[in-house]
Amino acid sequence: DAGVIQSPRHEVTEMGQEVTLRCKPISGHNSLFWYRQTMMRGLELLIYFNNNVPIDDSGMPEDRFSAKMPNASFSTLKIQPSEPRDSAVYFCASSFSAGELFFGEGSRLTVL
Amino acid sequence: DQQVKQNSPSLSVQEGRISILNCDYTNSMFDYFLWYKKYPAEGPTFLISISSIKDKNEDGRFTVFLNKSAKHLSLHIVPSQPGDSAVYFCAAYFSGNTPLVFGKGTRLSVIA
Repeated sequence: DAGVIQSPRHEVTEMGQEVTLRCKPISGHNSLFWYRQTMMRGLELLIYFNNNVPIDDSGMPEDRFSAKMPNASFSTLKIQPSEPRDSAVYFCASSFSAGELFFGEGSRLTVL
Repeated sequence: DQQVKQNSPSLSVQEGRISILNCDYTNSMFDYFLWYKKYPAEGPTFLISISSIKDKNEDGRFTVFLNKSAKHLSLHIVPSQPGDSAVYFCAAYFSGNTPLVFGKGTRLSVIA
């Protein structure tokens, strides 16, 4: 049984560069979530999709952040341009309807 | 404004003793509460949940207690084992396909 798959696991980039994080949710799940984990804020919701449609992106910190879900099996989170304060672990999670989320292993982003 | 608060960033317990992790919430509309466990370099995984119509739910060594009047829940682990050392996140949501809201997490260290 494949879980939520995220790539890359680690990304080190320089300030100003574009970063794209990818996620493949669990097959059959109809909701997808992007969370960011930092020491200061814990796990904060950035955006979530229901049936591939963005429902709430109020957690996206700035216009530099964007997310897409072109189909039920793929989503991207893009940061352009990246800044050092974007350094964090980004988690993708999926679920069937409300309730228990299944998380990927995360993408650790370091912006120098 | 944090709707789910875990005021203890860390907790240290001896092996065999009870671990008690606390969580407070502010939104009285929450009707379902979950605990997630996170090991380093892994995504959070679901541990145990409780509906607002209950005040206790038990699963092996793990018990979650809910006090709705105080807007407080706690996770009890007894007996604690070194493998329980992880970050524990409290989360909540309310019916209607809303996303989980997480606390900042509590790092539990179980000392042998």
